[in-house]
Amino acid sequence: AQTVTQSQPEMSVQEAETVTLSCTYDTSESDYYLFWYKQPPSRQMILVIRQEAYKQQNATENRFSVNFQKAAKSFSLKISDSQLGDAAMYFCAHRQTDAGGTSYGKLTFGQGTILTVHP
Amino acid sequence: NAGVTQTPKFQVLKTGQSMTLQCAQDMNHEYMSWYRQDPGMGLRLIHYSVGAGITDQGEVPNGYNVSRSTTEDFPLRLLSAAPSQTSVYFCASSYSPSTDTQYFGPGTRLTVL
Repeated sequence: AQTVTQSQPEMSVQEAETVTLSCTYDTSESDYYLFWYKQPPSRQMILVIRQEAYKQQNATENRFSVNFQKAAKSFSLKISDSQLGDAAMYFCAHRQTDAGGTSYGKLTFGQGTILTVHP
Repeated sequence: NAGVTQTPKFQVLKTGQSMTLQCAQDMNHEYMSWYRQDPGMGLRLIHYSVGAGITDQGEVPNGYNVSRSTTEDFPLRLLSAAPSQTSVYFCASSYSPSTDTQYFGPGTRLTVL
């Protein structure tokens, strides 16, 4: 079964600085998708960035980028030039693509990391 | 384009009561799913559907029923509410179950007394 682990329950960063959130995962699949979702106090789940496992190039979205290490099963999120609006809970998630198994299309989430941004 | 909508936003039930959480999407997505979010545990899959008339169980299906009569709607039914079902419930949808990003509704906070 897939597992996703976020080892940092809480992180903090100064405004305009850079912070990296860690995520490791375990899967027997060779093809899969990885995601970072942001959950602000409004509790809405907002997609930050996604990575296809078959792509070697790391995904980037404006100030957000990932360091995807497939062999190490590591998927960290780097937030550059942090802003007050980045404060939220961040979830790393793995998406199952195997139609032959159970829970087809299931997202497996980590426990989340609370990010605080200090002005 | 409203995206994924959920009603109600908040609900309080007594143990043993039943209710239906509503979920609708207007993006013509084939894949829809229900998750629950509990403190310290991330989100866990309850049930999912790959199209109208097709549903299947996820990781934590006990105590919940679903049906999918249309592409747009995917209601979640609590048959006899228990305090262990106190949680925040999210509905999500995507075009494809395997290659596409899932988009989430705003969530329903349910408290069972």
